[in-house]
Amino acid sequence: EPEVTQTPSHQVTQMGQEVILRCVPISNHLYFYWYRQILGQKVEFLVSFYNNEISEKSEIFDDQFSVERPDGSNFTLKIRSTKLEDSAMYFCASNARQAETQYFGPGTRLLVL
Amino acid sequence: QKEVEQNSGPLSVPEGAIASLNCTYSDRGSQSFFWYRQYSGKSPELIMFIYSNGDKEDGRFTAQLNKASQYVSLLIRDSQPSDSATYLCAVNRGTGRRALTFGSGTRLQVQP
Repeated sequence: EPEVTQTPSHQVTQMGQEVILRCVPISNHLYFYWYRQILGQKVEFLVSFYNNEISEKSEIFDDQFSVERPDGSNFTLKIRSTKLEDSAMYFCASNARQAETQYFGPGTRLLVL
Repeated sequence: QKEVEQNSGPLSVPEGAIASLNCTYSDRGSQSFFWYRQYSGKSPELIMFIYSNGDKEDGRFTAQLNKASQYVSLLIRDSQPSDSATYLCAVNRGTGRRALTFGSGTRLQVQP
């Protein structure tokens, strides 16, 4: 069964460093998302992406964040200058054109020191 | 502020019993409603979705939606210890507004 994959599974970085989180959505899916979940808190929407552009973003998704689909398979989230409060689990999700159900990847656990 | 509210639990039920999980939402424009299961340290796993008022059954799971009351629930029949997890309710505004708003989840414990 097709799955969303994410790399790396864990990332430790120093405050102020740039990180890139990578995702490979399910191959025939057209809508892509990033969510985050701070430990012990709810899953929060960051951004959605369709047709090579951002279709919706939350207040969390400020100028420090960017997304890109550099090729036909990868979808990336970049955090330019990480803060301690960026420490969280980051989930990528995708869904097909005519479907509403989003399928989540296994997540990348980001720790900012 | 769009909110999705869930009782954090834990909800403890004996094996074989029916577990009832509830969720309310504040945005009357919500169109689609989802239940995800999340094991500790893992990603949300889709259980089922519902769009229309009434009941929808899938195996041991039944989702119930009442848009007038802004209420959605999930029933798990014949609960198993492997069902022990946090259950997340999520809503979105449907086509064009696909961002999911999640509740904080209800932790379910099924006692053997």
